[in-house]
Amino acid sequence: SAVISQKPSRDICQRGTSLTIQCQVDSQVTMMFWYRQQPGQSLTLIATANQGSEATYESGFVIDKFPISRPNLTFSTLTVSNMSPEDSSIYLCSVGTGTSNQPQHFGDGTRLSIL
Amino acid sequence: QKEVEQNSGPLSVPEGAIASLNCTYSDRVSQSFFWYRQYSGKSPELIMSIYSNGDKEDGRFTAQLNKASQYVSLLIRDSQPSDSATYLCAVVASKLTFGTGTRLQVTL
Repeated sequence: SAVISQKPSRDICQRGTSLTIQCQVDSQVTMMFWYRQQPGQSLTLIATANQGSEATYESGFVIDKFPISRPNLTFSTLTVSNMSPEDSSIYLCSVGTGTSNQPQHFGDGTRLSIL
Repeated sequence: QKEVEQNSGPLSVPEGAIASLNCTYSDRVSQSFFWYRQYSGKSPELIMSIYSNGDKEDGRFTAQLNKASQYVSLLIRDSQPSDSATYLCAVVASKLTFGTGTRLQVTL
């Protein structure tokens, strides 16, 4: 399966600031996704990163808060904007392996803490 | 009703025993079903995929699917301490949706 590199692996940020998380894949992939995993909880899909067009956001997530870029088929970024302590979470990039019915594989995640 | 439901556990089994993890889902049009293993502090790792009714075996792991009952399970035979992790059930209807996970503890 594809090798997915995500950075930073962790960060501690001040409230009100923004952080951009990068996801790099070692092969071209059609589908890339961003998830959030809050402490002790399961994964929640934030958005689907579409190459060459705007990301598709899930209910409860908005572009102003979580802007996403996908300039090509191997790279995407997620920005967490104007952070508050409630944004403390693990943010995960994943890639689809084929059609939407196929499984996804995950990067190592970014552990984000907001003070 | 949650879309994908799992007992949060912890499920404690002795080493060498069979661990049985269960999952129910609400969307009848779901077509694909996955089990992920997540060690503490790590990202989820795919361990099993199942798409049709019945059993699918891979080494010590067996996934079972019953679409009529909207039920999917994972059996782990000869459980090892290294199997101690949280197991996430994931289902695809319109998108990939995860359950909250079952924490498995394999005791010596």
